[in-house]
Amino acid sequence: EVQLVESGGGLVKPGGSLRLSCAASGFTFSSYSMNWVRQAPGKGLEWVSSISSSSSYIYYADSVKGRFTISRDNAKNSLYLQMNSLRAEDTAVYYCARGGYIYDILTGYYLEAGYFDYWGQGTLVTVSS
Amino acid sequence: EIVMTQSPATLSVSPGERATLSCRASQSVSSNLAWYQQKPGQAPRLLIYGASTRATGIPARFSGSGSGTEFTLTISSLQSEDFAVYYCQQYNNWPNSFGQGTKLEIK
Repeated sequence: EVQLVESGGGLVKPGGSLRLSCAASGFTFSSYSMNWVRQAPGKGLEWVSSISSSSSYIYYADSVKGRFTISRDNAKNSLYLQMNSLRAEDTAVYYCARGGYIYDILTGYYLEAGYFDYWGQGTLVTVSS
Repeated sequence: EIVMTQSPATLSVSPGERATLSCRASQSVSSNLAWYQQKPGQAPRLLIYGASTRATGIPARFSGSGSGTEFTLTISSLQSEDFAVYYCQQYNNWPNSFGQGTKLEIK
């Protein structure tokens, strides 16, 4: 059974830092891209960052670029999000999500795709003085 | 950035009836479109990817269609557990982007 368990959330002051972790189990972690998606209270979903299976490709939303850093440790089956210079608008539940695959009929290979097939239960980050 | 627009914002439907939810992209996303269901206090769940492929374990009453800029999620006969918020997401271009959601409520 695929399991994703986030940790590290909490209350932090504006300008502060926090590091989120996501522990993965039930699948070959090193074969999948991983992602962070957040949801502000009462609002919709916002993609935050993605990292490919080998860490070769990393992407960030403009809203967090330069402040957040995504990383992974395939030996520990873990995903991380280092969040610096936090702002009130970063307050949200942060979800860890596994990336899906699509089948490329031209090459016959499965390619990492940008949809999210399994999600953790989320960890709440509150930025407030 | 591609903007995803869902309609309606709220849809009221009776159990057993059909629900049709729409999602429009500001530019073509080919078939790189996913649908998610989210219930209160829960994480989102993947329903559909590739615009029309059901995810593992998703009942056949859920179906997706469309390509390019216009997409539809259809729930053929609503069950009580289907009342939730539904989001579409394009993954054709970076950054990924979600629609604002459609709340499906009991009529």
